Amino acid sequence: NAGVMQNPRHLVRRRGQEARLRCSPMKGHSHVYWYRQLPEEGLKFMVYLQKENIIDESGMPKERFSAEFPKEGPSILRIQQVVRGDSAAYFCASSLSRGFYEQYFGPGTRLTVT
Amino acid sequence: ILNVEQSPQSLHVQEGDSTNFTCSFPSSNFYALHWYRWETAKSPEALFVMTLNGDEKKKGRISATLNTKEGYSYLYIKGSQPEDSATYLCAFTGGTGNQFYFGTGTSLTVIP
Repeated sequence: NAGVMQNPRHLVRRRGQEARLRCSPMKGHSHVYWYRQLPEEGLKFMVYLQKENIIDESGMPKERFSAEFPKEGPSILRIQQVVRGDSAAYFCASSLSRGFYEQYFGPGTRLTVT
Repeated sequence: ILNVEQSPQSLHVQEGDSTNFTCSFPSSNFYALHWYRWETAKSPEALFVMTLNGDEKKKGRISATLNTKEGYSYLYIKGSQPEDSATYLCAFTGGTGNQFYFGTGTSLTVIP
């Protein structure tokens, strides 16, 4: 059973470009969480999605950031017009359901904005 | 902004020592408390999900307790081994269980 997959593992973007981060959950999991880890900080919740629905996006900046989890295909975190402050490690995790269920983490995508 | 605190920030112990660390979280509106183990260059790995006041969970030499009324959880490692060296994270979820608030972790180094 393949684990949670994220790609790319490393992404370099210039200021103003778009970044697309992909997350394929574990087989059978329909719940996905995205987290951001800024340098020298802990994991911060960004958004929680279920297939085709955003359940909670309260941790995601209102501008430039969006997330989706379509019926088919991976979940995508999209950052438009990246700035240097977006440089961070972005992790996704999947679970069978919310709250009580273990989350399984992907290896993360390290985004560097130059 | 919800505060989840872990202490100590880091810990060095000798192989064979037993150790424990603390996770403090809000005592109101509790939904669940998760513990994760995060080794360098790997992904966080789930250890326990705790939901009820007084819960005790055990996995091998690692165990955890939960006190939701006072807002803390302890993680214990009995007879630490070098392979236990990692950062241990706790994550609190309250209300509807949609958002997770992580502590900054306790970094454990076990010296052979």
